Amino acid sequence: QSVLTQPPSASGTPGQRVTISCSGSSSNIGSNNVNWYQQLPGTAPKLLISDNDQRPSGVPDRFSGSRSGTSASLAISGLQSDDEADYHCSAWDGSLNGWVFGGGTKLTVL
Amino acid sequence: QVQLQQSGPGLVKPSQTLSLTCAISGDSVSSNSAAWNWIRQSPSGGLEWLGRTYHRSKWYRVYAASVRSRATINPDTSKNQFSLQLNSVTPEDTAVYYCARGPAQLAVWGQGILVTVSS
Repeated sequence: QSVLTQPPSASGTPGQRVTISCSGSSSNIGSNNVNWYQQLPGTAPKLLISDNDQRPSGVPDRFSGSRSGTSASLAISGLQSDDEADYHCSAWDGSLNGWVFGGGTKLTVL
Repeated sequence: QVQLQQSGPGLVKPSQTLSLTCAISGDSVSSNSAAWNWIRQSPSGGLEWLGRTYHRSKWYRVYAASVRSRATINPDTSKNQFSLQLNSVTPEDTAVYYCARGPAQLAVWGQGILVTVSS
């Protein structure tokens, strides 16, 4: 059972905007920054969004993140077929003294 | 550009010790601004952080509660790498194991190694 809660699946058609939610608590999302990772099939996770809403170099601006209270969300606009992947949220948990993750959301582009 | 290259066996027998290594290029395991992590991904897909080591005037090791009694993460400054040992493994330890560079976010990941625990 993951400490952070994500929906197991999400879907959209090309060009659409989709959002993926991530719910936590005061010891993780409520007091620390959220990072999002994209995991393409058969590959290692890749940092997609850091510090709630920052895009690392090379990440398209179609990807955006936000945090409010003990929840965070990832938005993908202009959905493309190669956005099909698993998306994981993560935050440092001060009570557990370690990184915690969501269970991952599998995004399907219809 | 920091790169991490993992190595280790893909099959471990129950009750034995899982041993993996992560070789670092483009950075130093002794860096005072990095932290070196191990994470695993079970067949169900969720990521689980196992622990990390880092150097800030001295070496620190921090472990997840779920593996604290069985895990050891060690730096090897002579080879610029770090390792994970997990004792007394069971089939529930079957997973893809990743190393990753922190500290504020896991910005660089190794390629991952599938470790199966089976007799």
